[in-house]
Amino acid sequence: GAVVSQHPSWVICKSGTSVKIECRSLDFQATTMFWYRQFPKQSLMLMATSNEGSKATYEQGVEKDKFLINHASLTLSTLTVTSAHPEDSSFYICSASDPGTPSQPQHFGDGTRLSIL
Amino acid sequence: GQNIDQPTEMTATEGAIVQINCTYQTSGFNGLFWYQQHAGEAPTFLSYNVLDGLEEKGRFSSFLSRSKGYSYLLLKELQMKDSASYLCAVKDSNYQLIWGAGTKLIIKP
Repeated sequence: GAVVSQHPSWVICKSGTSVKIECRSLDFQATTMFWYRQFPKQSLMLMATSNEGSKATYEQGVEKDKFLINHASLTLSTLTVTSAHPEDSSFYICSASDPGTPSQPQHFGDGTRLSIL
Repeated sequence: GQNIDQPTEMTATEGAIVQINCTYQTSGFNGLFWYQQHAGEAPTFLSYNVLDGLEEKGRFSSFLSRSKGYSYLLLKELQMKDSASYLCAVKDSNYQLIWGAGTKLIIKP
């Protein structure tokens, strides 16, 4: 069964709206979660690493003020796309791995397809 | 810098065998992962290699040579549902996952 749950799976909203995406680890406590973005026919791009109880680490070129990440508990990380615009339309995917074993693979949520009109 | 190379696209015939190669140059090595991603879906975990050799899991096998910085994913008895992108990823010395761009595999009847 799924070990990482992501919600919502699909969002359509008007330009200027803020959208919150939730990522939950179901079977383990995740001190670290990862947020990716994927444009059509392109590869996964890591946006940021979400650390429980501390600030997220953003990849170069990702605006931290636009993509707000909160990791307030060991099982929940949220990504908020603030004042979204059409160019933010993409497939957003979170992942997490059990920190107890470094060899464990990252498990992915089902992704959120975001469409900004 | 860190780099993972894999072919952009491959085509194979239903019922046949295909090998997808991956070469990597990373700062340290803590394992190599293969994922499958169908269009419009999130990646799903296929295999993990940390020691040299072949890991077999049903129709899928993955091979690793750490000295050569090389891995391959072998898919046997190809089915149409195997049409997907296959992603190679390596954990570096900081246990950060470095991703390849993926190989799009097209299966023809």
